[in-house]
Amino acid sequence: DAGVTQSPTHLIKTRGQQVTLRCSPKSGHDTVSWYQQALGQGPQFIFQYYEEEERQRGNFPDRFSGHQFPNYSSELNVNALLLGDSALYLCASSLAQASYEQYFGPGTRLTVT
Amino acid sequence: DAKTTQPNSMESNEEEPVHLPCNHSTISGTDYIHWYRQLPSQGPEYVIHGLTSNVNNRMASLAIAEDRKSSTLILHRATLRDAAVYYCILVSTGANSKLTFGKGITLSVRP
Repeated sequence: DAGVTQSPTHLIKTRGQQVTLRCSPKSGHDTVSWYQQALGQGPQFIFQYYEEEERQRGNFPDRFSGHQFPNYSSELNVNALLLGDSALYLCASSLAQASYEQYFGPGTRLTVT
Repeated sequence: DAKTTQPNSMESNEEEPVHLPCNHSTISGTDYIHWYRQLPSQGPEYVIHGLTSNVNNRMASLAIAEDRKSSTLILHRATLRDAAVYYCILVSTGANSKLTFGKGITLSVRP
């Protein structure tokens, strides 16, 4: 049973560019959450998708957007990249009816130069 | 979101018990206490959670104070693999509540 997978593993982008990160949830899970983790800090909640709709959103600008597909996989898009967007981006999946445990992927390390 | 307070770091010896404290004096009656840990170069992983009663699972035990203003994660026999950042998080009742991480406590395990 595959856990949460994310792609790519690492990514280097230039300031001002756009990036798309991908996440496949654990089998059977229907909810995907995205987190940003700066070096030395705890993860910060970006948003959560359920039934292909954004259900909750953290304190992130509109440059951060997402999408959930019918197969529950999800994408995180970031436009107009800033140097401060350099971070580890984590995807977590859970089951709507049993949300006490979220399963995290290994993350995508984004570097903006 | 109600906040939690944890020490920055803790050291333990291998094969000895470890008690990781967490204070959450503003916890509400519907907040669950969750613990996650993050091993180096990995995403966080769920450890345990509880509401009022003490909880045990294969990874750890969670001791919750009677007034719920503090809790302690107990690792019964620390191994080198338990070296990680441990996060104590309050989660509101409700489907798929977001996780609000603090800085966590960094546990080092000496061989």
